Amino acid sequence: DSGVTQTPKHLITATGQRVTLRCSPRSGDLSVYWYQQSLDQGLQFLIQYYNGEERAKGNILERFSAQQFPDLHSELNLSSLELGDSALYFCASGGSTNEKLFFGSGTQLSVL
Amino acid sequence: GEDVEQSLFLSVREGDSSVINCTYTDSSSTYLYWYKQEPGAGLQLLTYIFSNMDMKQDQRLTVLLNKKDKHLSLRIADTQTGDSAIYLCAERREGSYIPTFGRGTSLIVHP
Repeated sequence: DSGVTQTPKHLITATGQRVTLRCSPRSGDLSVYWYQQSLDQGLQFLIQYYNGEERAKGNILERFSAQQFPDLHSELNLSSLELGDSALYFCASGGSTNEKLFFGSGTQLSVL
Repeated sequence: GEDVEQSLFLSVREGDSSVINCTYTDSSSTYLYWYKQEPGAGLQLLTYIFSNMDMKQDQRLTVLLNKKDKHLSLRIADTQTGDSAIYLCAERREGSYIPTFGRGTSLIVHP
């Protein structure tokens, strides 16, 4: 158990809908990272938050947004969903140096 | 090409050693990682190496780093069926907190 909690584990929805994925980092970790894993793209970095502030942005679509709350949990919002958004979404957390990242077990999103 | 490359599959017999290879492009990489991915279990950090090292051993795992060739390998001694999984290599560049991952090597261990 990595100590990083992601909910829900599975999500099935329809095109055009909006969903929210939730992540609780390991106790004491201030950084939260979001990654998307798909068969054609591999594991792609989306966005990073550190202590409530956005720190780095990767290949995140404008339809996607994220935030980190004062209790350090984070949410990834995906809107106007398309079939191609079907993927495994991972959250990871890291300490102050972020030398090591610890991943949650992921949310499998299926857009039908 | 991709920033981090790995071969897609490796098949070994139980009890043999497995060697999973990875190449990366950026010479400023400071940390290099190996993660293990099993279905439903997320990514588990197996080991990592700092760029000023050329080898790290941890029980059955040996990591070798060749900075000149930008090549990283993971050797698993006495491979077991429980080692069957996808192994992802990742690098973190100097000045960045963001690891970049390879697509992963699927290790298949057969009796």
